[in-house]
Amino acid sequence: DSGVTQTPKHLITATGQRVTLRCSPRSGDLSVYWYQQSLDQGLQFLIQYYNGEERAKGNILERFSAQQFPDLHSELNLSSLELGDSALYFCASTQYLAGGAPGELFFGEGSRLTVL
Amino acid sequence: SQQGEEDPQALSIQEGENATMNCSYKTSINNLQWYRQNSGRGLVHLILIRSNEREKHSGRLRVTLDTSKKSSSLLITASRAADTASYFCATAYTGANSKLTFGKGITLSVRP
Repeated sequence: DSGVTQTPKHLITATGQRVTLRCSPRSGDLSVYWYQQSLDQGLQFLIQYYNGEERAKGNILERFSAQQFPDLHSELNLSSLELGDSALYFCASTQYLAGGAPGELFFGEGSRLTVL
Repeated sequence: SQQGEEDPQALSIQEGENATMNCSYKTSINNLQWYRQNSGRGLVHLILIRSNEREKHSGRLRVTLDTSKKSSSLLITASRAADTASYFCATAYTGANSKLTFGKGITLSVRP
């Protein structure tokens, strides 16, 4: 058990809909990462938060947004869903090493999104 | 792209053999990490090696880092069927707001 909790585990929805994925980081970790994993694209970095503030942005679509709340949990919102958004969405949390580089990431079990 | 690239993409070996997986990257790193993923599950951290380190061990795992060649290797000795999984290298580049960037992964199959 990594200590990172993601809900829901599975989600099936239709094109055009909106969903929210939730992540609770490991106790004490201030930094949360979101990744998308699909068969053809591998593990793609979406966005990172540190103590409530956005720190880095990757290949996140404009239809997607995220935030980290004061209690450090994070939510990833996916809207106007398309078939190609079907993927596993992972959240991970970490502490930073001296010098500001990310240390070991602790991953949740993921939310599997299927868009029909 | 700044992501590391693993090689080979797939590897099939017999139980008891050693498995060697390689990762190359492009710019200066603070650290490099290896992860394992069982099918459909979350990634699990295996080992982190910092840019000033050349080799690290953890159980049957040995990781080397050659910063002059911008490459790393993961060696799993005496492989077991339970080692069957995907393995990813991830790089944390130097600089502000450094994030961890993953390669596409290596699929390792260990035949009993």
